[in-house]
Amino acid sequence: NAGVTQTPKFRVLKTGQSMTLLCAQDMNHEYMYWYRQDPGMGLRLIHYSVGEGTTAKGEVPDGYNVSRLKKQNFLLGLESAAPSQTSVYFCASSYPAVALSYEQYFGPGTRLTVT
Amino acid sequence: AQTVTQSQPEMSVQEAETVTLSCTYDTSENNYYLFWYKQPPSRQMILVIRQEAYKQQNATENRFSVNFQKAAKSFSLKISDSQLGDTAMYFCAFTKAAGNKLTFGGGTRVLVKP
Repeated sequence: NAGVTQTPKFRVLKTGQSMTLLCAQDMNHEYMYWYRQDPGMGLRLIHYSVGEGTTAKGEVPDGYNVSRLKKQNFLLGLESAAPSQTSVYFCASSYPAVALSYEQYFGPGTRLTVT
Repeated sequence: AQTVTQSQPEMSVQEAETVTLSCTYDTSENNYYLFWYKQPPSRQMILVIRQEAYKQQNATENRFSVNFQKAAKSFSLKISDSQLGDTAMYFCAFTKAAGNKLTFGGGTRVLVKP
């Protein structure tokens, strides 16, 4: 199993450009999440999904959109990138029913710089 | 809303010695889960240890153990026999049993010196 993968690993955008980050998991997990990590800080939840076709806002959703058209994929979109969105983005997934552990499995992260 | 606080931005420890990282949290929930994640320079988030709030016994995973004080809302991590590979950022995290969304603390950077 590859676990949780993220594409791309690095990206540089100019202000106003758009892009989509792709997260894929092969563990048949129901729940998926997008977090951002700014320097010297912990991860903050952007959006999450509790199943195919459903999404919900997290702590810092402004400027981002998400879609979960397939159970194994969770896309994060930036319609008009801003320098404040320079960050490292992590995707995670979990399957709450497994041993009730609520453990989340993380991808390797995407470093995004907006100039 | 839940909050998680890690009051130690950085700690250093000699190889083979013990270091304890502090974490406090605020919640009105009675049932929840607490985690410590390790983030080495590779950026990968690695689960170190978890604790269920309904369990009084402190969790232990090899050289890692926690001191869970539910009434005080405290969840500290002890790393025994520190190794160079333990050098990393450590994050404390909280989730409600039903919500499954993680709330992270700001992290503690641990440097293990040879």
